[in-house]
Amino acid sequence: AQTVTQSQPEMSVQEAETVTLSCTYDTSESNYYLFWYKQPPSRQMILVIRQEAYKQQNATENRFSVNFQKAAKSFSLKISDSQLGDTAMYFCAFFPTQGGSEKLVFGKGTKLTVNP
Amino acid sequence: DTAVSQTPKYLVTQMGNDKSIKCEQNLGHDTMYWYKQDSKKFLKIMFSYNNKELIINETVPNRFSPKSPDKAHLNLHINSLELGDSAVYFCASSQVGGALNYGYTFGSGTRLTVV
Repeated sequence: AQTVTQSQPEMSVQEAETVTLSCTYDTSESNYYLFWYKQPPSRQMILVIRQEAYKQQNATENRFSVNFQKAAKSFSLKISDSQLGDTAMYFCAFFPTQGGSEKLVFGKGTKLTVNP
Repeated sequence: DTAVSQTPKYLVTQMGNDKSIKCEQNLGHDTMYWYKQDSKKFLKIMFSYNNKELIINETVPNRFSPKSPDKAHLNLHINSLELGDSAVYFCASSQVGGALNYGYTFGSGTRLTVV
């Protein structure tokens, strides 16, 4: 079974600085998708960024970028120029493409606080 | 227009009652899901349906019964509610094998409180 581990339950960063959230996963599959979701206090789940395992190039969405290390099974999220609105829970998630029972498997989340 | 809508957003009820949560998506997606988020924010899948067919049924008490009248709707009925059922329940949809570019689209969640 696939597992996703987020080793940092809580993090904080000063506004305008950069922060990196860690995520590792365990799978025997060669092709899959990885995602980062954001859950602000409003509790809405918002997709931040996605990565396809067969693509070596790291995904980037504006201030958000990932460092995908397939061999190490690592998928960290970097937030540049942190803003107060980035305060939220961040979930790393894994989605297999084989097996027939595709489902998003989530890590336990990292609570990020951006301080003014 | 809301892509995935859940009703109600909040539900407070007494132990032993039966309640339902409704979910509708207007994205044309083939697959819908129910996830449970516990008090520690952990998200765990409960069920998934693909074109009205049950695909995933995780270890969930029989008191929970999903129903999908068509591929745009997935409702969750819970019998004999217990204190431990208190959680946030999320509905989500996706186009399996197609629009994985967008991952899942989630509803806004239903906060269920059993007293």
